[in-house]
Amino acid sequence: GAGVSQSPRYKVAKRGQDVALRCDPISGHVSLFWYQQALGQGPEFLTYFQNEAQLDKSGLPSDRFFAERPEGSVSTLKIQRTQQEDSAVYLCASSWPRGSGANVLTFGAGSRLTVL
Amino acid sequence: KNQVEQSPQSLIILEGKNCTLQCNYTVSPFSNLRWYKQDTGRGPVSLTIMTFSENTKSNGRYTATLDADTKQSSLHITASQLSDSASYICVVTLYGNNRLAFGKGNQVVVIP
Repeated sequence: GAGVSQSPRYKVAKRGQDVALRCDPISGHVSLFWYQQALGQGPEFLTYFQNEAQLDKSGLPSDRFFAERPEGSVSTLKIQRTQQEDSAVYLCASSWPRGSGANVLTFGAGSRLTVL
Repeated sequence: KNQVEQSPQSLIILEGKNCTLQCNYTVSPFSNLRWYKQDTGRGPVSLTIMTFSENTKSNGRYTATLDADTKQSSLHITASQLSDSASYICVVTLYGNNRLAFGKGNQVVVIP
């Protein structure tokens, strides 16, 4: 596609529910990043993939957060047993060829998660 | 402590006026510094990217400057338009691991 596509755009979950957020990066982009953006804050790094390999997951806040990119294209961020503090916008970004060094990241519009 | 600090947190300017946003960072060494524009409900969009050896970079009415000695960057918006209302985020790429350090953003509101 022409840009990074994320779904759903909005998700409301009851505390304790599991959620899955999807990211379709730009076709051919090797690198894929997930960020968490709380209201009024800048994005915070969660995890990074190069193709299907998850090279950095140091930003994941707890073991309730899990991300995968099994075929090196679409990625899913899963949050188990959601808590109210998980409420945020989850941004996905992709770039080519590798990393985020001098390459411009293209961000998706984000998935806004609200946990009640 | 955040490695990237932006000021002012928010500002309101009249359409047609200029404004300057500030970014101070402690990240060292760094690969590059970027400014992103984030409209409400949208993802950030890249405006400029500068390596440590560059002093200025323009993109239309947006001009970014970088002083690597004082670890400061600014984004100047000329002849503001209503569509400039957004959050402007300063992002520094850490040298070596390519991690990005984001500022919290400058919230700009342009009024007619």
